Amino acid sequence: NAGVTQTPKFRVLKTGQSMTLLCAQDMNHEYMYWYRQDPGMGLRLIHYSVGEGTTAKGEVPDGYNVSRLKKQNFLLGLESAAPSQTSVYFCASYRVRGNTEAFFGQGTRLTVV
Amino acid sequence: QQQVKQSPQSLIVQKGGISIINCAYENTAFDYFPWYQQFPGKGPALLIAIRPDVSEKKEGRFTISFNKSAKQFSLHIMDSQPGDSATYFCAASSRSNDYKLSFGAGTTVTVRA
Repeated sequence: NAGVTQTPKFRVLKTGQSMTLLCAQDMNHEYMYWYRQDPGMGLRLIHYSVGEGTTAKGEVPDGYNVSRLKKQNFLLGLESAAPSQTSVYFCASYRVRGNTEAFFGQGTRLTVV
Repeated sequence: QQQVKQSPQSLIVQKGGISIINCAYENTAFDYFPWYQQFPGKGPALLIAIRPDVSEKKEGRFTISFNKSAKQFSLHIMDSQPGDSATYFCAASSRSNDYKLSFGAGTTVTVRA
C-alpha cells in the first residue's frame, strides 16, 4: 500500500542541468499536483493535472514543465536548473469523492549549485 | 501573495497546555478548509478538515473553529503532547477551482515536556 511515491529523494544539480522528478500513485486518483516548499512560504503550487493527458499551471510554473501520460504518474521537469529552484518538492494525489483528502509523497530535496 | 494568512509563525507550549493557530482567508469561494501536520523530513498529512456549513469540528484532542462571517478559522490542540511537535499548515480549496489547495505559511509548534 504505497500511496504516493516520489523519486529521487535527494538530488544536487549544477546550474543549467536538467532533471525529471517522478511521482507515482496507486490510488487511482484523477487529480495530481506538484508543490514546492520553501521556508516561511508554505507550499506553493507549481503545476497540476485533473486527469490523464491534462496539465495546468499553478501559482509558480516558470522554469518547470510537467507531463501526465499515464494516470498513475505525474512528472515534473526542470529544463535548465537555477539556484532559485533549490527547494523541497512535494507531489500530491487528491481524492475528490467521499471524504476529500490530499495524499502527499515524502518529498524530493533538490539543491542547485 | 498568499490567499491564506496564518499566525503565529511559531509557538512553544508546555506539555498539557493548549496550542492555538489562526488562519484568515479572503476568497469566499473556498469550500474546504483542512489542516495538515508535517514532521521533519516527511510530507504533510491531513490532520482534520472542515466545511463552511459547520462552525466547529472535533477529532480527539484537535478542534477546528470556523467563523464564516469573519473569514477565519483556527486549530486548537488540547492537552498538547511532545509528539505533537511539528509544523502545522492551514489550507483552503474550492471544488470550482480544481480543488487547488492554497496553504498558509505554516506554524512550528514545540511542546516542552
